[in-house]
Amino acid sequence: DIQMTQSPASLSASLEEIVTITCQASQDIGNWLAWYQQKPGKSPQLLIYDATSLADGVPSRFSGSRSGTQYSLKISRLQVEDIGSYYCQQAHSNPLTFGSGTKLEIK
Amino acid sequence: EVQLVESGGGLVQPGRSLKLSCAASGFTFSSFPMAWVRQAPKKGLEWVASISSGGGGTYYPDSVKGRFTISRDNAKSTLYLQMDSLRSEDTASYYCASILRVYPDYWGQGVMVTVSS
Repeated sequence: DIQMTQSPASLSASLEEIVTITCQASQDIGNWLAWYQQKPGKSPQLLIYDATSLADGVPSRFSGSRSGTQYSLKISRLQVEDIGSYYCQQAHSNPLTFGSGTKLEIK
Repeated sequence: EVQLVESGGGLVQPGRSLKLSCAASGFTFSSFPMAWVRQAPKKGLEWVASISSGGGGTYYPDSVKGRFTISRDNAKSTLYLQMDSLRSEDTASYYCASILRVYPDYWGQGVMVTVSS
């Protein structure tokens, strides 16, 4: 199985700050990676797909990047509505696996 | 607008069965794969099952293989998850998700399943 190692597990940042979350794949998954946001008490929402493509309706302050088998989600200017948990997910091969999540709070 | 509405959750004893349903609307249900993803309380996300658009192809991780069965009725735009031999570790919120573009891109609100005696 492909392991997705996500870090940090939790993060506290100030409004307008730049935030970066990373996922390390245990093997090559190409660009088959997505990022999800889950606000408290809500279902997950797709943010980024194919490692770098922004999903419909997602603010442009969110972006995704790839360097080898390391993937990053960046929030360029943190807003209060960005609090919640973030998960990466690989779609390269079964079983499809998620990262363990990052809980983002406002400082 | 894509809408996915799960139902059928509840409290069930270990070893018993439960069947979840997911009513879909706002897209051509029969054209796309679908999936179930679960989340144990205060935990992360786990892929539980997926099914091809026609229903002929299914996938399960080892944690539920042989106990869970995913199916769909394209005429009714409804997805199902039959869960047998339930265990306490199956306690979770279960989400139905559409796979319009390789990834689960739209999710339902989730339904809670609690396995306890």
